Amino acid sequence: ETGVTQTPRHLVMGMTNKKSLKCEQHLGHNAMYWYKQSAKKPLELMFVYSLEERVENNSVPSRFSPECPNSSHLFLHLHTLQPEDSALYLCASSQVLAGDRNEQFFGPGTRLTVL
Amino acid sequence: AQSVTQLDSHVSVSEGTPVLLRCNYSSSYSPSLFWYVQHPNKGLQLLLKYTSAATLVKGINGFEAEFKKSETSFHLTKPSAHMSDAAEYFCVVTPRTGGFKTIFGAGTRLFVKA
Repeated sequence: ETGVTQTPRHLVMGMTNKKSLKCEQHLGHNAMYWYKQSAKKPLELMFVYSLEERVENNSVPSRFSPECPNSSHLFLHLHTLQPEDSALYLCASSQVLAGDRNEQFFGPGTRLTVL
Repeated sequence: AQSVTQLDSHVSVSEGTPVLLRCNYSSSYSPSLFWYVQHPNKGLQLLLKYTSAATLVKGINGFEAEFKKSETSFHLTKPSAHMSDAAEYFCVVTPRTGGFKTIFGAGTRLFVKA
C-alpha cells in the first residue's frame, strides 16, 4: 500500500518482557520516524533517523530504544514497559532533500497492549 | 516553536453537503503544512500538502486546502461529502527547512450521514 510495512500488527506483552517492533520501507527514502498514538492525545513524534543517524529524540523514556541499522529498516526495542505505554505505534519514512522536508509515508502501525 | 490547533474535535455532515475542517497553526519559521486522513485500523494517508508554491492546494478524493498566512490557517474543504470520507483527519506542521520537528493536531473526526 504505502510502501511502509510494520510487524507485528498486534502485540501483547507483560511489564517484564522484552520485545521489538520492526519497520521496513520499500520507497528508497533516507529518513524514518517512530510515532506514538494514544487514545485522546495527538500523535507524538518519538524518534527520527536521517541517513541512519538519530536526529530527533523527544524526551522518550529509556525503556524505548530505537535502532536503525540501514536506511530501509527501523526497530523499536521495548523493555520493562508500563500499562500507559499501550498505544498504536506508527512508523513513517520520507525522502529528505536539501532544504526541504517532504511528506511522510506511514505504515499501518503496531497495536501494543501492556498488561 | 510550532503548534497546531484543530478547532473541531468532531464534525458531522450529510452526504452530498460541503465539508469544512478547520486548522490554525503557529510557527516561528516558514512552515510546510499537511493534511492526513486515518480510516479505522489503518495508517495515515496523505491528502495534500503545502510547501511554498500555490496557496490553494488540491489533494486526493476531491479535497483541497487554502494556506492563509494572514490568518495562520489551513482549512480543509470538499464540495460534496461521500460516505467513504468518514474518518479522522489530522493537520500537521513541520519546518520547511532545517529540523525534523513534526507537530500533529489533535484530529477531527468526520461523520457522514446518509
